Amino acid sequence: DSGVTQTPKHLITATGQRVTLRCSPRSGDLSVYWYQQSLDQGLQFLIQYYNGEERAKGNILERFSAQQFPDLHSELNLSSLELGDSALYFCASSVAAHFVVGSQETQYFGPGTRLLVL
Amino acid sequence: GQQLNQSPQSMFIQEGEDVSMNCTSSSIFNTWLWYKQDPGEGPVLLIALYKAGELTSNGRLTAQFGITRKDSFLNISASIPSDVGIYFCAGQRETSGSRLTFGEGTQLTVNP
Repeated sequence: DSGVTQTPKHLITATGQRVTLRCSPRSGDLSVYWYQQSLDQGLQFLIQYYNGEERAKGNILERFSAQQFPDLHSELNLSSLELGDSALYFCASSVAAHFVVGSQETQYFGPGTRLLVL
Repeated sequence: GQQLNQSPQSMFIQEGEDVSMNCTSSSIFNTWLWYKQDPGEGPVLLIALYKAGELTSNGRLTAQFGITRKDSFLNISASIPSDVGIYFCAGQRETSGSRLTFGEGTQLTVNP
């Protein structure tokens, strides 16, 4: 058990709909990362939040947004869903905001949310 | 997006055999991580490497951070059936913040 929790485990919805994925980081971790895993693109970084603030953006679509709340849990909002958005969505957490050379920084992943858009 | 070149894509081995997989990149990485993912689960951290040339073991697993900082390998000795899964390398670059760049994964099958 990594200490990172994600809900729901599975989500089935229709095209055009909007869903919210939730993540709680490990105790003491201030950074939350969202990754998407699809068959054709592999594991791709979407976005990072640190202590409530957006820290870095990756390959995240404009239809997707995220936020981190004062209790440090994070939500990933996916709207106007398309068939191609079907994927596994993972949350990871770490202590620091950014990578520092020489730091023993790692990321721990949650169990993921499997999204199926029909 | 950019990915690390991980090979082989898949391996079919007999129980008890040793396994080796590696990742290469055209870019320098400052941290290399190896994860294992079981079906329907999230990636689980196996080994983290922080210095060029570093060799680290975790039980039957051994990983090394290449001297050029552009590659890493993972060895599994005396494989057992529960080693089955997908193994991913991941790297962190100073110029990319804390985000991880992942390899395509190595699917390992162990025949009893």
